[in-house]
Amino acid sequence: AQTVTQSQPEMSVQEAETVTLSCTYDTSESDYYLFWYKQPPSRQMILVIRQEAYKQQNATENRFSVNFQKAAKSFSLKISDSQLGDAAMYFCAYQDDKIIFGKGTRLHILP
Amino acid sequence: SQTIHQWPATLVQPVGSPLSLECTVEGTSNPNLYWYRQAAGRGLQLLFYSVGIGQISSEVPQNLSASRPQDRQFILSSKKLLLSDSGFYLCAWSSVQANSPQHFGDGTRLSIL
Repeated sequence: AQTVTQSQPEMSVQEAETVTLSCTYDTSESDYYLFWYKQPPSRQMILVIRQEAYKQQNATENRFSVNFQKAAKSFSLKISDSQLGDAAMYFCAYQDDKIIFGKGTRLHILP
Repeated sequence: SQTIHQWPATLVQPVGSPLSLECTVEGTSNPNLYWYRQAAGRGLQLLFYSVGIGQISSEVPQNLSASRPQDRQFILSSKKLLLSDSGFYLCAWSSVQANSPQHFGDGTRLSIL
């Protein structure tokens, strides 16, 4: 069965600095999608970034980028120039025919 | 553009009472629909998903049920709530295209007394 592991329950980063959130997953499939979702204190889940497994190029969305290592089954999220509004729970998710979420990493932004 | 509405935002219910949470999607047809629960400090747990009217798949056996009476309406119900049903419930939709991202409602915080 597929699993998603986020090994960092909480992280902190200074405002304007860069932080990387880790995510590993386990699957025997070769075609799948990976996502990072953000859940701010308002509790609404927001899609941050998406990566197709067949694409070697890492996805980027403004200050957010991923380091996708398919062989290592690793999908980390890098947030550059951290802002106070980035404070949230971040969930990594794996999807083939179903979506599976990790348990989340709570990110604190220090002013 | 597509929007998803979920209500109520908060709900306090006594043990043993019934439950009905509603979710509707606008701006798209035949979406896949999902109900998740997020217990305090934990990740998301998929409860139900639906690929069409009247088609419900249950991921976790429990005293909750789901129904999809209309294409863009998804309802989470219970006849008798348990203390363990407390949590944050999220509805989501995705397009029928394989591996399309899910879009979430604002959630319902359910407290059982």
